[in-house]
Amino acid sequence: DTGVSQDPRHKITKRGQNVTFRCDPISEHNRLYWYRQTLGQGPEFLTYFQNEAQLEKSRLLSDRFSAERPKGSFSTLEIQRTEQGDSAMYLCASSLGQSSYEQYFGPGTRLTVT
Amino acid sequence: GDSVTQMEGPVTLSEEAFLTINCTYTATGYPSLFWYVQYPGEGLQLLLKATKADDKGSNKGFEATYRKETTSFHLEKGSVQVSDSAVYFCALRTSGSRLTFGEGTQLTVNP
Repeated sequence: DTGVSQDPRHKITKRGQNVTFRCDPISEHNRLYWYRQTLGQGPEFLTYFQNEAQLEKSRLLSDRFSAERPKGSFSTLEIQRTEQGDSAMYLCASSLGQSSYEQYFGPGTRLTVT
Repeated sequence: GDSVTQMEGPVTLSEEAFLTINCTYTATGYPSLFWYVQYPGEGLQLLLKATKADDKGSNKGFEATYRKETTSFHLEKGSVQVSDSAVYFCALRTSGSRLTFGEGTQLTVNP
């Protein structure tokens, strides 16, 4: 049984470049979440999907951020025109359908914008 | 809005010492409460949870009781081990699916 996987694990990019991260949830999980965690802080919710539908977005998710889950399986998170303030750990989690179910987290993608 | 406040860290203890990490929350409605743990190089893992007032969550010797009157969910363990060294996050969930996390508490246990 594989857990949530994320790719890449680390990404270094120059300011102004676009980056894309991928998350593969646990296979039978139909909910997928994205969080952002900056150094010394707890994770902050960004957005979540149920199957392919994006049901909620945080105000943290600016216009430069877009997330997709086209076939209800893996998801991508793209950041356009990266800024130094985007440097963080981007976490993905998945769960079964109802809110009461546990969210399982992946190892995260660490983004460094230089 | 919803928020979680954890005691300031880091916390350093000797093996077999008693652990308390304080957590208080502010939320609308009746949240579910969680403790997550993050070991070095690994993803967040659910440690324990409680879904209503006076519930006690427990796992791996850790316990936390949902106290509605004090809006608290303090994490305790009677005898910590070196392997408990990690970052601990208190979190809540009200309606919907998003988790709201505290800032985390780094625990280091020395032999």
